[in-house]
Amino acid sequence: KAGVTQTPRYLIKTRGQQVTLSCSPISGHRSVSWYQQTPGQGLQFLFEYFSETQRNKGNFPGRFSGRQFSNSRSEMNVSTLELGDSALYLCASRKQGLSTDTQYFGPGTRLTVL
Amino acid sequence: AQKITQTQPGMFVQEKEAVTLDCTYDTSDPSYGLFWYKQPSSGEMIFLIYQGSYDQQNATEGRYSLNFQKARKSANLVISASQLGDSAMYFCAMRELIIQGAQKLVFGQGTRLTINP
Repeated sequence: KAGVTQTPRYLIKTRGQQVTLSCSPISGHRSVSWYQQTPGQGLQFLFEYFSETQRNKGNFPGRFSGRQFSNSRSEMNVSTLELGDSALYLCASRKQGLSTDTQYFGPGTRLTVL
Repeated sequence: AQKITQTQPGMFVQEKEAVTLDCTYDTSDPSYGLFWYKQPSSGEMIFLIYQGSYDQQNATEGRYSLNFQKARKSANLVISASQLGDSAMYFCAMRELIIQGAQKLVFGQGTRLTINP
């Protein structure tokens, strides 16, 4: 069974630009969550999607947004990029949206903002 | 709010030795779940082991076991017979339940484990 896939793996952007990251969950998994990992703040929750609906959102500015498609694939978008947005963005999927499910992570997208 | 504390920023262990990575947690929720993930230099977070708050026995998965002491609010990861490939960052995480089945993971700061030959 294929794992969680994320594209692209690496991305370099300049301040002020916007970026879209993509995540394909494990087959049969309907919940997708996004996390940001930085050396200073560690791993922080961004948002969770289930059945194309955002169920939960972390403490991030409105520049960070996301969506989920009917096939459970998810995208996150960051507009007006800032230097501090440089991070590893990790996507995780879990099955059926049950509260007891384990989250399985993808390889991440490493975003560098210059 | 839930909190995870990992007090060991780095650990160095000889190959084939056992190693214990510490994790303490704080929560007011009687129903919770604790996870350990491994993150190699490639960046991917690899799920290792899970312990539920109501589980009667300590979780085990191959060379990984979890020393769960509920009264002390600790959930230490034990890796037996360490291998060079175990060198990585290790994260302890707690599941925080939100309404309607939504959840998020709260992570500790991680421990960088280095296995020496």
